[in-house]
Amino acid sequence: DTGVSQDPRHKITKRGQNVTFRCDPISEHNRLYWYRQTLGQGPEFLTYFQNEAQLEKSRLLSDRFSAERPKGSFSTLEIQRTEQGDSAMYLCASSSPAAGDPNRPTDTQYFGPGTRLTVL
Amino acid sequence: DQQVKQNSPSLSVQEGRISILNCDYTNSMFDYFLWYKKYPAEGPTFLISISSIKDKNEDGRFTVFLNKSAKHLSLHIVPSQPGDSAVYFCAADSSTSGTYKYIFGTGTRLKVLA
Repeated sequence: DTGVSQDPRHKITKRGQNVTFRCDPISEHNRLYWYRQTLGQGPEFLTYFQNEAQLEKSRLLSDRFSAERPKGSFSTLEIQRTEQGDSAMYLCASSSPAAGDPNRPTDTQYFGPGTRLTVL
Repeated sequence: DQQVKQNSPSLSVQEGRISILNCDYTNSMFDYFLWYKKYPAEGPTFLISISSIKDKNEDGRFTVFLNKSAKHLSLHIVPSQPGDSAVYFCAADSSTSGTYKYIFGTGTRLKVLA
């Protein structure tokens, strides 16, 4: 088990360009999450997949953002027409359903190393 | 409205002493709490969690205490080591909300002095 991986680790782009990030979750995890973290803040939820179904999207996810998980394994997050305000660390996490353990009433999410996006 | 608050942005502790990091929450529906450690340019690493059915959970040098009536939790690190220097995030979730998103605090930067 190699943990959650993300690619690329760093992306520098010019305003107006499109970018796409990839996340490979832990292999047995069927739940996948995207978060965004800006300087001085904690991670903020963007969207969540269970298998290939996107079940929740934050209002932070504007129309320029789209996420997919076509085969229920890896996921991509695309940002179209990037703006300087999109500069942030984009984090992916994965989890498997809590198995009815009262000590873990909900999932424990494991994070990848993140993709640092800089929009010039 | 910040549902999870870490009011101390930074903390310095001498090596070998106890580090205590605090977290407050406002949503009484939260029933699962986690602590993550984050080094620069890396993703958050899961440290320890606690369910609302308990008031204490221990894992080696790390202990998390939960005070539900005060809506407060704390992470104790004993003894603190220089390698513990990182940003620590508190996160909360609700198993009954129907969503799976964690709400994070803004983090506390811990510096352990050798």
